[in-house]
Amino acid sequence: AQSVTQLGSHVSVSEGALVLLRCNYSSSVPPYLFWYVQYPNQGLQLLLKYTSAATLVKGINGFEAEFKKSETSFHLTKPSAHMSDAAEYFCAVSEPQYGNKLVFGAGTILRVKS
Amino acid sequence: KAGVTQTPRYLIKTRGQQVTLSCSPISGHRSVSWYQQTPGQGLQFLFEYFSETQRNKGNFPGRFSGRQFSNSRSEMNVSTLELGDSALYLCASRPAGTAGTGELFFGEGSRLTVL
Repeated sequence: AQSVTQLGSHVSVSEGALVLLRCNYSSSVPPYLFWYVQYPNQGLQLLLKYTSAATLVKGINGFEAEFKKSETSFHLTKPSAHMSDAAEYFCAVSEPQYGNKLVFGAGTILRVKS
Repeated sequence: KAGVTQTPRYLIKTRGQQVTLSCSPISGHRSVSWYQQTPGQGLQFLFEYFSETQRNKGNFPGRFSGRQFSNSRSEMNVSTLELGDSALYLCASRPAGTAGTGELFFGEGSRLTVL
């Protein structure tokens, strides 16, 4: 069965500092992995996705994530945080045999301090 | 290109009532999925429709139902509302050719409050 664990429900960084949001997954087969971002009172926006091509995936707004099969991880990073990055971030997994159903982690709220 | 449109954005109901939420997918997208988001349970899959057929269903009681029309628009219905049904209901659609990849485009959601 698929599952996603996001370490840290809240992460606080200073503006200009490195952003690291952690995600570990459980899947019986090579999965598709995603990071979505949600701003207050809005829906989810896709940041980036891993679909078995390059293990280092670049997304929008300067974010990237690296798929590490040996660690079953898909951590999200950004070299320099911006105030506009403050939002909630969700890691998600899907497996082809389950169609387009996404299983989400609990989410990490990112706070950026000036 | 217009995004996924959900109506209404906000609504308040009382226990025992029923509610219908509407979703218009991105033009050309034929698959629509619904998710429930609550502080306690997070984001949970409700169901997916493709070409007017339910393709996948989450672990929700029968009070939750949905349908899709020939123009790909979808509705979901919750009958006999309970306090615990208070949530943000998100609709998502996907492009053709992405079957199995899970890549979805989400609407802004319908926030339901049950009193």
